[in-house]
This record gives sequence, structure tokens and C-alpha cells, in this order.
Amino acid sequence: AQSVTQPDIHITVSEGASLELRCNYSYGATPYLFWYVQSPGQGLQLLLKYFSGDTLVQGIKGFEAEFKRSQSSFNLRKPSVHWSDAAEYFCAVGSSGGSYIPTFGRGTSLIVHP
Amino acid sequence: DSGVTQTPKHLITATGQRVTLRCSPRSGDLSVYWYQQSLDQGLQFLIQYYNGEERAKGNILERFSAQQFPDLHSELNLSSLELGDSALYFCASSVGTGSTGNTIYFGEGSWLTVV
Repeated sequence: AQSVTQPDIHITVSEGASLELRCNYSYGATPYLFWYVQSPGQGLQLLLKYFSGDTLVQGIKGFEAEFKRSQSSFNLRKPSVHWSDAAEYFCAVGSSGGSYIPTFGRGTSLIVHP
Repeated sequence: DSGVTQTPKHLITATGQRVTLRCSPRSGDLSVYWYQQSLDQGLQFLIQYYNGEERAKGNILERFSAQQFPDLHSELNLSSLELGDSALYFCASSVGTGSTGNTIYFGEGSWLTVV
């Protein structure tokens, strides 16, 4: 069964600093990978997704993620964090055949200090 | 705004009761998904419907049921409620069943508190 591990429960960064959120997945075939963000009291918003092709994926709000098959990772990065980026970030993995149902990690809470 | 609408936004009910959560998918989307988000379990997939038919089933309890109507809106029915059912219930929708390029859009959720 597919699974996702987000090793960091909380990450604290200063505004303007760079950010990397870690995500490791477990799935035998080629995965579909996603990053979602959840702001307080809000639903989940898709930041970016990887289905195939270029392993460096650009998303909204200045985020990017890189798919590394050899490391089973799909880490999320942003070169300069803004205070409004403080939120919960979820990595998810889907299957590559037929119907896919994303399995979510437990999330990483991002805290941004001024 | 994702275009997925969920009602009610908040609901408080007593143990043993039954509630219905409603979801309207984005215009044109045929798939509806239900997820449960709780502190101890995280985000758990419950069930998916595609064009009125059940498509996939996840960790959905027998006390819970769902359906998708001809107008494509969906309802999640939770019965014999227990304290542990308190959670945020998300509805999501997508165009197809899961083909390449399918993005799943989430609603803002329905907060259920069982007392």
C-alpha cells in the first residue's frame, strides 16, 4: 500500500529565509505526487503536482518541488518565505493506474517568525 | 475558492445521533471524494463516487454511508455517532476518476463535534 512520511511535524523559519519541507513516499510503481497547503479554517489548496516528465515542478505562490526516484522523495522548497506562508503543508501520493486516491502524510506545520 | 461547497460548516450533536453532510462539487466535476481529518488519524480517505456510482472505498465505518445524486451533489451520512467521530470532514471533487492530470479540489470542510 502507498504511504507518505513527512518527518517534520513543525518547522520554524524566519521571514525571508529559504524553506524545504521533506516528504518521502512508499509506492512500487510510478507515483503521482502532490503538495497541498491548509491555512487555518480553510480547505486544502493544491500547490503543485507531479505526474510525469520534468522532475522539478513549479507551483503556485513561488513553491517548487523535486521528484527524486532514487530517494523516494518529493521535497517542497521556496527560496524566500513570507509571513503569509504560515500554514499546514501536506504531501500526498496517488497510484499510477486507473482510479487514484491520494494518500496524505500527517502534515508539517510551518511557523514563520518576523 | 475551490468551487466545492460544503454544508453545514459547523455542527454540534450528541452521541447516538445521526447527521448528514452535504457537498456540491465544482461545476463539471463527476467525481466526489470524502475525507475525514482528525488529530489522531490525520487525513483519511473515506469513499469516492463517480457519476453516481461508488468508485472506491477507504476507511469508512459501517455506521457511515454516502451517495451521489443525479445532479452530482453528494451526501455523507453519519449515524450512531460517537465522541471519536468528532472531526473535520472534507469533500473534494475532480473531473474524472483519476486519469493523468486529474486535480482534486477540496472544499472548506464541515466541522463535526459530537458531545
